[in-house]
Amino acid sequence: ILNVEQSPQSLHVQEGDSTNFTCSFPSSNFYALHWYRWETAKSPEALFVMTLNGDEKKKGRISATLNTKEGYSYLYIKGSQPEDSATYLCALLPPRGAGGTSYGKLTFGQGTILTVHP
Amino acid sequence: KAGVTQTPRYLIKTRGQQVTLSCSPISGHRSVSWYQQTPGQGLQFLFEYFSETQRNKGNFPGRFSGRQFSNSRSEMNVSTLELGDSALYLCASSSARAGGTTDTQYFGPGTRLTVL
Repeated sequence: ILNVEQSPQSLHVQEGDSTNFTCSFPSSNFYALHWYRWETAKSPEALFVMTLNGDEKKKGRISATLNTKEGYSYLYIKGSQPEDSATYLCALLPPRGAGGTSYGKLTFGQGTILTVHP
Repeated sequence: KAGVTQTPRYLIKTRGQQVTLSCSPISGHRSVSWYQQTPGQGLQFLFEYFSETQRNKGNFPGRFSGRQFSNSRSEMNVSTLELGDSALYLCASSSARAGGTTDTQYFGPGTRLTVL
């Protein structure tokens, strides 16, 4: 069973604070890593797909880094705003197994719940 | 471009019944994946379809099945419902241009199933 762990489980920050959270995964079982933001009552929204060791991606105030050798990815939010309040999920796509595929088979972490207070 | 749509949004069933959920992917997307979300287990992969073929399956009992039509719309069916099947069921579509490996998956709003 693939284990994807996210920390912390929840986080409360003040508006304007910068914050980061971690996604850990078995480095031997890596093919791609996805980050999603999931606001209450909405659909999960794709943020990044990361594949290469050392990858850095950025979208506005949100950025992510990837270290496949040690099995972790960091998500950073600079200058948090109340609208950033959401659950942030990472999901691992493993390599294709013998005779099999990994199509669409994302394994999700439990998520980090971020609350940004005005 | 319209997003992924799922119907119905809410459903209440009783134990032993069966249920069919529907997912319409983004136009042009050929891959549809299904996930179950429960408070205790988080988001778990059910299965993935591409061009009407199931390419991948998660660790769920045979009561969970699905299919995909030629227009890429997909349905999932759960037979003999159990209380533990109460969950949010999400589908996601992707273009599968990268062979289904690194494509972004776009999620629908989900169907909330309650089993009484």
